[in-house]
Amino acid sequence: QLVLTQSPSASASLGASVKLTCTLSSGHSSYAIAWHQQQPEKGPRYLMKLNSDGSHSKGDGIPDRFSGSSSGAERYLTISSLQSEDEADYYCQTWGTGNVVFGGGTKLTVL
Amino acid sequence: QVQLVESGGGVVQPGRSLRLSCAASGFTFSGYSMHWVRQAPGKGLEWVAVISSDGSSKYYADSVRGRITISRDNSENTLYVQVNSLRPEDTAVYYCARELRVLGPLDHWGQGILVTVSS
Repeated sequence: QLVLTQSPSASASLGASVKLTCTLSSGHSSYAIAWHQQQPEKGPRYLMKLNSDGSHSKGDGIPDRFSGSSSGAERYLTISSLQSEDEADYYCQTWGTGNVVFGGGTKLTVL
Repeated sequence: QVQLVESGGGVVQPGRSLRLSCAASGFTFSGYSMHWVRQAPGKGLEWVAVISSDGSSKYYADSVRGRITISRDNSENTLYVQVNSLRPEDTAVYYCARELRVLGPLDHWGQGILVTVSS
């Protein structure tokens, strides 16, 4: 069964970097994922598509501070030079034929 | 620019039906698969359904199959979802979203519309 696992919460200081993790379930380590950001009281915003080889393509207007990388079944979102507006929920998402799966989301707090 | 605007939400009694709409603009609507995703209060994102660009293929989450119907009108650039036999657990913000390419990520989202199921 295709499942994405995320830590419920993360925190980092203003101006620092943070790396969020999304783990694909066993047997699905070759899957690409997408990262989405959801700021408080807003709809989700597409950040990037991240492939298993670490290559990624970002959505329109996504700053260079956001980058992605991969290792095995793990998919990472790194946010550098953290700003207050980066405080948000971050969801990973993947897909198959007739199926879309979201991770549970990580709530990022900027200290 | 791509815009997706949901409408049709509100407070609905349990057991009733509701149809939500999503008006699309800024892109060739008929060229993209479209999705509905919902988010219960304080919870994460839950995928609901997808419809292919020409409307010929539809898939549903197990949690809603049999009660939800996704449809589209490419002449009106509008996506729909009909939810029947509404339950309190259907209370959520419902988002429409565009699929970037066939079997790809959701790359544009609407602002969402709240549906509250309550007597």
